[in-house]
Amino acid sequence: DVKVTQSSRYLVKRTGEKVFLECVQDMDHENMFWYRQDPGLGLRLIYFSYDVKMKEKGDIPEGYSVSREKKERFSLILESASTNQTSMYLCASSGPSGNTIYFGEGSWLTVV
Amino acid sequence: ELKVEQNPLFLSMQEGKNYTIYCNYSTTSDRLYWYRQDPGKSLESLFVLLSNGAVKQEGRLMASLDTKARLSTLHITAAVHDLSATYFCAVGGNYGGSQGNLIFGKGTKLSVKP
Repeated sequence: DVKVTQSSRYLVKRTGEKVFLECVQDMDHENMFWYRQDPGLGLRLIYFSYDVKMKEKGDIPEGYSVSREKKERFSLILESASTNQTSMYLCASSGPSGNTIYFGEGSWLTVV
Repeated sequence: ELKVEQNPLFLSMQEGKNYTIYCNYSTTSDRLYWYRQDPGKSLESLFVLLSNGAVKQEGRLMASLDTKARLSTLHITAAVHDLSATYFCAVGGNYGGSQGNLIFGKGTKLSVKP
């Protein structure tokens, strides 16, 4: 059974803290993605990676960075968390064709 | 810039009725996805449509794609309460030539009432 695992389901962080959201996939997928989901806005792409150590900005990269040191792991980093980054974050992965995309369970982040 | 528009955004249906959700997108794409999301849950893949005229059906849901009109539809037949969820369409983007990144519509929140 294919799996995308987001290690932290629910987090509460303080403004200014550095936050790491981790995502691991077990399908040997080349492509990995981070989205955030907000009510009324749908899902918006933050960053994606198509290979180890490679990254590309999505629609809303400001305030975020990513790391992909190993093929199976893609981390989203909030260098200095702010309240407007309170959201649900979804990680996804896909193979080279992109025809099937698998999503993780989501990480609910609250910044206070 | 690729944009994806869904309508309606909210849909309240009675059980047993039929309805269609529409998904328009602004630029050429060869992949169209439909997802379902239950409250507090992640996205469940429903359909992937890869060519003009593609039609796929699963139970009471049927999705179609018209790439010339840049339109996909998700048709619900004889709705039941279990179909209550938010439905998203998404279109394959084109960042850096990578396949797999998606641009999502804002979702259609479907509520099926007895």
